[in-house]
Amino acid sequence: AQSVTQPDIHITVSEGASLELRCNYSYGATPYLFWYVQSPGQGLQLLLKYFSGDTLVQGIKGFEAEFKRSQSSFNLRKPSVHWSDAAEYFCAVGAHGSSNTGKLIFGQGTTLQVKP
Amino acid sequence: DAGVTQSPTHLIKTRGQHVTLRCSPISGHKSVSWYQQVLGQGPQFIFQYYEKEERGRGNFPDRFSARQFPNYSSELNVNALLLGDSALYLCASSKGTHTEAFFGQGTRLTVV
Repeated sequence: AQSVTQPDIHITVSEGASLELRCNYSYGATPYLFWYVQSPGQGLQLLLKYFSGDTLVQGIKGFEAEFKRSQSSFNLRKPSVHWSDAAEYFCAVGAHGSSNTGKLIFGQGTTLQVKP
Repeated sequence: DAGVTQSPTHLIKTRGQHVTLRCSPISGHKSVSWYQQVLGQGPQFIFQYYEKEERGRGNFPDRFSARQFPNYSSELNVNALLLGDSALYLCASSKGTHTEAFFGQGTRLTVV
């Protein structure tokens, strides 16, 4: 079955510390992968995407993610967290190919809290 | 450039009523998708439309329907509302069916 797992429901880090949010996926087709961020009561903002090519992708706000096919993972990282990064983070996977719909499958989300 | 716009932003409905949610995609985008996000969970796929045709449907009952207009805007309709339909409904716009999706701010539906 197609699924996305974000093992950490809630993470707390100190401001200035590094961050890694985990994402594992199960998908039969060649995946394309996304990370989105959501502030309370708001829609989703795209942080970064992986379609093909270089497995290390850079996004907005200083975030990066690495696609590891052998581990079925797409972890999100940031070297130094800012208080404004506190939000909900969602990993999502979709499938290449016109035979697949363009639907995205989302993980449950990880809530990031930043301590001063 | 205007992003994805959804209306209304909030609404309250009574069980059994019908609701229509609206979405205008980013200019030049031909695909619109709808997602339901229940509190504390990730978004769940409801529909995708591309060039006015349904291209995908999620695991939702027939009470849910949608359509896309010639200007690529879209409506999501939900009949016979249940308490469990209370959620944030998100519209996503993309150039094609398998390209990056940009989300609107959502419509918060509360069913009482």
